[in-house]
Amino acid sequence: QVQLVESGGGLVKPGGSLRLSCAASGFTFSDYYMTWIRQAPGKGLEWVSHISHSGSYSKHADSVKGRFTISRDNSKNSLYLQMNSLRAEDTAVYYCARDLDGSGSYLFIWGQGTLVTVSS
Amino acid sequence: SYVLTQPPSVSVSPGQTASITCSGENLGDKYGCWYQQKPGQSPVLVIYQDTKRPSGIPERFSGSNSGNTATLTISGTQAMDEADYYCQAWDSKSPFVFGTGTRVTVL
Repeated sequence: QVQLVESGGGLVKPGGSLRLSCAASGFTFSDYYMTWIRQAPGKGLEWVSHISHSGSYSKHADSVKGRFTISRDNSKNSLYLQMNSLRAEDTAVYYCARDLDGSGSYLFIWGQGTLVTVSS
Repeated sequence: SYVLTQPPSVSVSPGQTASITCSGENLGDKYGCWYQQKPGQSPVLVIYQDTKRPSGIPERFSGSNSGNTATLTISGTQAMDEADYYCQAWDSKSPFVFGTGTRVTVL
């Protein structure tokens, strides 16, 4: 079935780095935009970054620009988020999500999320 | 940056209608959608393109969008509809702008 599984979360010190992965299955990965969304504990949803089908276009939220980099490997059906210079305010559950129809709109398939905790 | 504002909470009796609003400047000129998130779970898309329901979403969920306000309506609300609901639209700077979220309580 259609599935997204995130991994790579954990506890990291401020200023540290972490790489999140999202493994996709059950659909043609290269047909869809992919997106990272995060949710701080007890808070709402926040868009982090997204990437086009081929990976030629990507965009990041101002809050992570210059520190986070989204990428994808269509041969491995995988999405990544390289997170550098982590701050306490980056603590959140990170979800990867697939759009509804390949247009980059409407997040239809979500992973279960992976928790990133930034603390000394 | 573009801001979408929702009421923090809405209470509804079982079987009654719950309406959740989402306010943003000229929101009616944009397409919007709604997500449901139950505690400890990932969000689920319940309405897209203002009024459409993805497959598997019950007919009791409906949406509208006009002027500065989008509305998610849950008709015949059931206990299983108790959740947080987020609206979402697009802005030139951010492809995904989320509302502040509304906790729906079924009393």
